[in-house]
This record gives sequence, structure tokens and C-alpha cells, in this order.
Amino acid sequence: DTAVSQTPKYLVTQMGNDKSIKCEQNLGHDTMYWYKQDSKKFLKIMFSYNNKELIINETVPNRFSPKSPDKAHLNLHINSLELGDSAVYFCAAASGGTYEQYFGPGTRLTVT
Amino acid sequence: GEDVEQSLFLSVREGDSSVINCTYTDSSSTYLYWYKQEPGAGLQLLTYIFSNMDMKQDQRLTVLLNKKDKHLSLRIADTQTGDSAIYFCAERDTGRRALTFGSGTRLQVQP
Repeated sequence: DTAVSQTPKYLVTQMGNDKSIKCEQNLGHDTMYWYKQDSKKFLKIMFSYNNKELIINETVPNRFSPKSPDKAHLNLHINSLELGDSAVYFCAAASGGTYEQYFGPGTRLTVT
Repeated sequence: GEDVEQSLFLSVREGDSSVINCTYTDSSSTYLYWYKQEPGAGLQLLTYIFSNMDMKQDQRLTVLLNKKDKHLSLRIADTQTGDSAIYFCAERDTGRRALTFGSGTRLQVQP
């Protein structure tokens, strides 16, 4: 059983389109995250939800909107895609205490 | 703000030990982590250390923490070709409940 899963794994789309990435975790953890990894492998936090409540919202364009329908799901919707949005997006889940984060396999987004 | 730094590249021969270093700036960090990322894959949690510890060993992995110098290292004993990957150091930002990652160290293991 995959602990944190993301769909799709690859997403190729044109500038200006709107797309969504889905994330699901079966770990029962309270906190979920979205990270962006650029072409130089640098990882940056974008958003975090704790029990469906937004707790971290970094300086991310408002074209990016996270949605958490329940504790096990955190989706990322992106409007009006731009070339600079091309990256790998990782979802992660963590519990309280040590906050060990468990990552999904990533979604490689390519905007053409 | 918090900053985590790592050297970008390390090359070792199979069977040797690898030591990957990391420095951080947030003195209030409570947990520090090491993650491994293989090509095309997500990040795999290898180990973590609590800030009141100096050392943690887990099979071939040894983590050393020098809190005074804010220096963390990961030693991999008997490095194998399967250890080739990018290794990320991360610290827990207690205020935001998020991790701040270093830029990653690419480990290349030569046969």
C-alpha cells in the first residue's frame, strides 16, 4: 500500500491552461504539505494543511489554490499556467511530534 | 530566516565511507532530518536526530550533530552503488511546523 500517492505522475500542458494535482495519504496523519522542486533540485514549501485548515501559505502566486476536502486529501489547483510553473510538485504528510514527513512520488509538470 | 547549506557533490569509491555535511542557522531547531532522493523518485526519510542528541546510528548510517557549530553530518559506511542519490538535510521549523531543506548533495559511488 502506498502511503502517500499523487496523480498524475506526469502532466504536460500549455500556457494559460488550468490543471489540478491530487494527493492522498493513508497514514492517518494530521498535516499535509505541497512542495515545489525546481530544476536545480531545490525544495520549497508552498502550503500546509492541518486537519483541513490552512496553516502555511508561503509567497506563492494566487493562481495556486490548495484544497483539502478531508484529512486524507490535499489537492492543488493551478490557474493560468506559466512556463515558470514547470517543476516537480511533491505532496507530503506528517504527524505531530517529530514531524517526520513522508513524501509522495511527485508530479512532474511541464508547461509548454 | 532559516538557512540550510550543503555541498553540492561528493564522489566516493564503492566500499569506502561517505560523509555528507550540512550546516544550519536556526538555533531553535528541534529535529534534523536526512532524506534520500533517487532519480525520478520522491524523497525517502532515512533518519532523524533530536537536538539533544549528539549521535544516532542506524545500521550503515551514522548521524552526528554538533549543536554548538550547528553542523550535522551523515556517514554511510561501506557505500554501495545503490547509495548513489541526492541527499537532503532538513531542519524542523518549530514555528511553522514545516521543514527547511538544504540544496541537496549528489552522491556518486564509483565501482
